[in-house]
Amino acid sequence: AQSVTQLDSQVPVFEEAPVELRCNYSSSVSVYLFWYVQYPNQGLQLLLKYLSGSTLVKGINGFEAEFNKSQTSFHLRKPSVHISDTAEYFCAVSARGSARQLTFGSGTQLTVLP
Amino acid sequence: DAGVIQSPRHEVTEMGQEVTLRCKPISGHDYLFWYRQTMMRGLELLIYFNNNVPIDDSGMPEDRFSAKMPNASFSTLKIQPSEPRDSAVYFCASRGGRLNTEAFFGQGTRLTVV
Repeated sequence: AQSVTQLDSQVPVFEEAPVELRCNYSSSVSVYLFWYVQYPNQGLQLLLKYLSGSTLVKGINGFEAEFNKSQTSFHLRKPSVHISDTAEYFCAVSARGSARQLTFGSGTQLTVLP
Repeated sequence: DAGVIQSPRHEVTEMGQEVTLRCKPISGHDYLFWYRQTMMRGLELLIYFNNNVPIDDSGMPEDRFSAKMPNASFSTLKIQPSEPRDSAVYFCASRGGRLNTEAFFGQGTRLTVV
């Protein structure tokens, strides 16, 4: 079984400042890692994913994440945020099996302040 | 493709009534997942199907919940009888086969049981 811990439930940050959303996971097997974003009253949209290879993954909207196997982390970063980045962000893992159903963290609400 | 389509977007019902949520996955996707999102428990996997067959329903909270997938383009999640604690947003997601690891989510159905 897998589990995901998102260490911050809320992150306020000023516009154009950098941001890091933290994610740690636990699993007894190899996993894939994902970050999803949820805007108000919307479904979940994939930001980026780590499957294998380079540990630095770039996604949409200027976000990137780095997989650190020794620390079992997959933190999400953006060098300069915009008001439109205000949303809830979910880290998720799936085992490298055939079904690969997602296990989600509790989410981090990112609020970008003017 | 229009993506994963869920209906209705909002549902308000009285306690004790039957509720049916509907989902049309992306054409060609082999896996279909039902998730529930609440403030207390976050995003939980309820059940998933592979090629229309239910594979794991261990996340279904009670016998009041049932899900079906009569064909590759349609799935339902039924609650009978509904209770106020079933109030949540229910998401459907679909994913392609072995080489496709990204799950696409619908917009969700916000269920309120009064």
